[in-house]
Amino acid sequence: DAKTTQPTSMDCAEGRAANLPCNHSTISGNEYVYWYRQIHSQGPQYIIHGLKNNETNEMASLIITEDRKSSTLILPHATLRDTAVYYCIVPPGQNFVFGPGTRLSVLP
Amino acid sequence: DSGVTQTPKHLITATGQRVTLRCSPRSGDLSVYWYQQSLDQGLQFLIQYYNGEERAKGNILERFSAQQFPDLHSELNLSSLELGDSALYFCASSVTGGLWETQYFGPGTRLLVL
Repeated sequence: DAKTTQPTSMDCAEGRAANLPCNHSTISGNEYVYWYRQIHSQGPQYIIHGLKNNETNEMASLIITEDRKSSTLILPHATLRDTAVYYCIVPPGQNFVFGPGTRLSVLP
Repeated sequence: DSGVTQTPKHLITATGQRVTLRCSPRSGDLSVYWYQQSLDQGLQFLIQYYNGEERAKGNILERFSAQQFPDLHSELNLSSLELGDSALYFCASSVTGGLWETQYFGPGTRLLVL
């Protein structure tokens, strides 16, 4: 299983871009990188995923390095409602393994 | 709203009792997953079903069991409850349950065992 490492916590000013890093140096060539977030005790919310190329959707952008050993989730204009725990996951298969994630606090 | 529904939202019961949690997947999804989130353990995968059959098992206790019915809804049965079973229980669904498939989570059931 590819292990992921994320900072425990981060702060971001409202309206600014939030850049959340994730290291996954043992990722295999066919393993995807997934990002989820959990707001308070709600169900985890899918954000985005990618294999090799950078990806963008209405919620965020995902930048994966060329060697695939790390990635960055970018929330372009963070709002107070983006305060949550963000999980970077490299699932070995069907089973998603959630680590402690990064607690992002968006400050007014 | 992910489209996954779970009932009940909250459940309070006593030690030794048995409870059943229910999950309805997104329309069209054939696979259901159950996760447990307690304060000291984080989100832990319990079990996965695909089209009525068990497909994968995680850290599920023998006191816990699950099933998926022909209409694709799933139930998680927790028996001989202990204080340590107090947690949030989440259900997720995906289209086929295949490798690296996006899972969509429900709002969860909060279980409190007294």
